[in-house]
Amino acid sequence: DQQVKQNSPSLSVQEGRISILNCDYTNSMFDYFLWYKKYPAEGPTFLISISSIKDKNEDGRFTVFLNKSAKHLSLHIVPSQPGDSAVYFCAASVIYTPLVFGKGTRLSVIA
Amino acid sequence: EAQVTQNPRYLITVTGKKLTVTCSQNMNHEYMSWYRQDPGLGLRQIYYSMNVEVTDKGDVPEGYKVSRKEKRNFPLILESPSPNQTSLYFCASSRTGGETQYFGPGTRLLVL
Repeated sequence: DQQVKQNSPSLSVQEGRISILNCDYTNSMFDYFLWYKKYPAEGPTFLISISSIKDKNEDGRFTVFLNKSAKHLSLHIVPSQPGDSAVYFCAASVIYTPLVFGKGTRLSVIA
Repeated sequence: EAQVTQNPRYLITVTGKKLTVTCSQNMNHEYMSWYRQDPGLGLRQIYYSMNVEVTDKGDVPEGYKVSRKEKRNFPLILESPSPNQTSLYFCASSRTGGETQYFGPGTRLLVL
């Protein structure tokens, strides 16, 4: 039973355009959500997070939106750059319990 | 520099030969965890530890052991590796469970 789902295994976007990565979850108890970015041959690195009391969090070009009623979150990257090409993992947790990860979405930003 | 280190980074071994992958963090984190990454399956948790001497199974614990005798170290032990344990392994740590985790660089294991 997959509690965190990333239904798009891959996404291609033109440089300069917006990238939108989506994530759905089933556990309504989740109260903390994160996005990780992973380059080949490296460990995942934390990108941005949002707690369930918010519906939006911004950090530079990256914005995460949380829609609790739809159990959906998304990561927006504007403008997309070739260096953003990576695998993006969505993760969620209930406090003091392990993070649950999605399967990842591979983003390719085309110059 | 705050970091999670893993050794070795690459390992080729044969079926049945016991091996240990070490993991160490210098951030005084209570929580540590092991994941494996396989194509199409994302990151799956093997074992985690909420604190010293406290370990628990994740989603795919079969064939693995862990120990947490000190806060900073969390080794992953494969007593009798099999080819289906060929994978990319990541160690991670965080202040407590459920918070932002910091990942090591990964260990690529090939079991022949």
